[in-house]
Amino acid sequence: KQEVTQIPAALSVPEGENLVLNCSFTDSAIYNLQWFRQDPGKGLTSLLLIQSSQREQTSGRLNASLDKSSGRSTLYIAASQPGDSATYLCAVRPLPGTGANNLFFGTGTRLTVIP
Amino acid sequence: GAGVSQSPRYKVAKRGQDVALRCDPISGHVSLFWYQQALGQGPEFLTYFQNEAQLDKSGLPSDRFFAERPEGSVSTLKIQRTQQEDSAVYLCASSLTRLGARSPLHFGNGTRLTVT
Repeated sequence: KQEVTQIPAALSVPEGENLVLNCSFTDSAIYNLQWFRQDPGKGLTSLLLIQSSQREQTSGRLNASLDKSSGRSTLYIAASQPGDSATYLCAVRPLPGTGANNLFFGTGTRLTVIP
Repeated sequence: GAGVSQSPRYKVAKRGQDVALRCDPISGHVSLFWYQQALGQGPEFLTYFQNEAQLDKSGLPSDRFFAERPEGSVSTLKIQRTQQEDSAVYLCASSLTRLGARSPLHFGNGTRLTVT
């Protein structure tokens, strides 16, 4: 079964810092990887989706990279702001036909950006 | 609507009661998923629909859990004879295309179920 791990579990940084969140997965046979943001009491908001053939995706101050062979992804947040405070989750989708019809999620990194 | 809508937002049930949780996906979305999220954990898959067909229910924890999507749009997750371990946030997500295609999941805000 696919296992997804996110390190660190929690992170506090001062406003303006650049930061990196890490995600690792045990089975490299993935279709894509998606990063989500979750605010307290809310659902998940999709941030970036990387197909298995891609190396990275960028959206504004966010950049996600994927190294499928080593089972790793990183989410880079530039010039962090207090509004970035949330829990960040990564999720991998298995290849079609593997029998798994779902995303496998990590437990998330809780980010606090201190003004 | 603009996003995935779930109701109710909060539900308190006494142990042994039955509950029904509703999900309105984004209009036209083919795929619909239910996830269970315990406190401090990532979401865990429960079940998957492609239109009205329930193609995967391998994540449902027991036969007390039942989901349906009879017309391929609104879905209901029903939990019979609730137990305390059923307390969690239940998230619904939808996707424009069928599973495996290149479309992200869009999540609702969830229903927080507390069983007392």
